[in-house]
Amino acid sequence: DGGITQSPKYLFRKEGQNVTLSCEQNLNHDAMYWYRQDPGQGLRLIYYSQIVNDFQKGDIAEGYSVSREKKESFPLTVTSAQKNPTAFYLCASSIDPAGYNEQFFGPGTRLTVL
Amino acid sequence: DQQVKQNSPSLSVQEGRISILNCDYTNSMFDYFLWYKKYPAEGPTFLISISSIKDKNEDGRFTVFLNKSAKHLSLHIVPSQPGDSAVYFCAASEGGANSKLTFGKGITLSVRP
Repeated sequence: DGGITQSPKYLFRKEGQNVTLSCEQNLNHDAMYWYRQDPGQGLRLIYYSQIVNDFQKGDIAEGYSVSREKKESFPLTVTSAQKNPTAFYLCASSIDPAGYNEQFFGPGTRLTVL
Repeated sequence: DQQVKQNSPSLSVQEGRISILNCDYTNSMFDYFLWYKKYPAEGPTFLISISSIKDKNEDGRFTVFLNKSAKHLSLHIVPSQPGDSAVYFCAASEGGANSKLTFGKGITLSVRP
């Protein structure tokens, strides 16, 4: 079955700790994305990668970091510099970086900072 | 400044009737528009899209209309079913080599049996 997996489903961390969210896809898609959703809000773009070993900041990149060492993997690290990290995080991918393709989403990770 | 606006936060319709979900945008560079459906604690699923060269795209019970001059699009669901109850997001892209999507805040649709 092709798809996008995110792990874990729920994640708790103490204030001041860094945490890494996993995103893996076996769709052979070139482009991958990280979004954040807060209650009553739309999805806001954190980082995106159009090709391996390259990524760009989205609209709310401060306090986050990413890497794209493999085509199928795009992990997101939420650092202690992120002021309000509690949110629902969504990873997505699209077949290529062109802007006329739909993005496919994973099931999401809910991060709660205690 | 929000570039994609879904001004009605919720909509309630009777099963079997038409649901009309509206979306407005301000960025004239947007060239490609998408609708996603989302259940709580799940990722969004793609429903339907339309490029700016068209004014209508249809897929089964779902039709999207685009009015470029008004910078307005709408999603019609006919007939509405209880399983359609979810949050619907409108999204837009500038197309070309830029694959970034800008999302609206979403509309919660409730379909009453």
